[in-house]
Amino acid sequence: QKEVEQNSGPLSVPEGAIASLNCTYSDRGSQSFFWYRQYSGKSPELIMSIYSNGDKEDGRFTAQLNKASQYVSLLIRDSQPSDSATYLCAGKLSGGTSYGKLTFGQGTILTVHP
Amino acid sequence: NAGVTQTPKFQVLKTGQSMTLQCAQDMNHNSMYWYRQDPGMGLRLIYYSASEGTTDKGEVPNGYNVSRLNKREFSLRLESAAPSQTSVYFCASSERWTDEQYFGPGTRLTVT
Repeated sequence: QKEVEQNSGPLSVPEGAIASLNCTYSDRGSQSFFWYRQYSGKSPELIMSIYSNGDKEDGRFTAQLNKASQYVSLLIRDSQPSDSATYLCAGKLSGGTSYGKLTFGQGTILTVHP
Repeated sequence: NAGVTQTPKFQVLKTGQSMTLQCAQDMNHNSMYWYRQDPGMGLRLIYYSASEGTTDKGEVPNGYNVSRLNKREFSLRLESAAPSQTSVYFCASSERWTDEQYFGPGTRLTVT
């Protein structure tokens, strides 16, 4: 079982809609989660970090963490064509002394069409 | 601040050749990482360095070596390149207390 799994996608939404990206994880002790955006041919760019249960909002982006159900989600409101990219979910697994070591999901391709 | 820089941007090697990928960060981060990204495989950790003077294997270390030259620089060496090492290589760095990783622009390596 992969330690961080993302919904397979690809996901296509119309401009102005809400895009919902989901991620589940297997390590119940995982503490920190991150969403990265990666445009084609570019490097991953950190867009959200979430460390505690609940919602965290930053502009059009909302990250949600539910530790009891072991899932993380990213909502993008008022989606724009410029949001079209691959979104990577990453989590810091618990245990060990591997500071900062993250496990990445496979990514979900999002397309926002005009 | 330049953030995380990587050289070269592109490289073509023949099987058996060696090369070193360079990475530097100017964010005063303690931890640095090397990943490879292949279609359908996601980002996979090759090696990481939690702090200056330490290095540890990640998920796919075979065929690679690393050197943490100082706090700023972390290099990845391919001693004898193989076609299976054709990939995009990313370096990243993070501050210990937040675990937020910041990535360099990547090196696109082709081994023929």
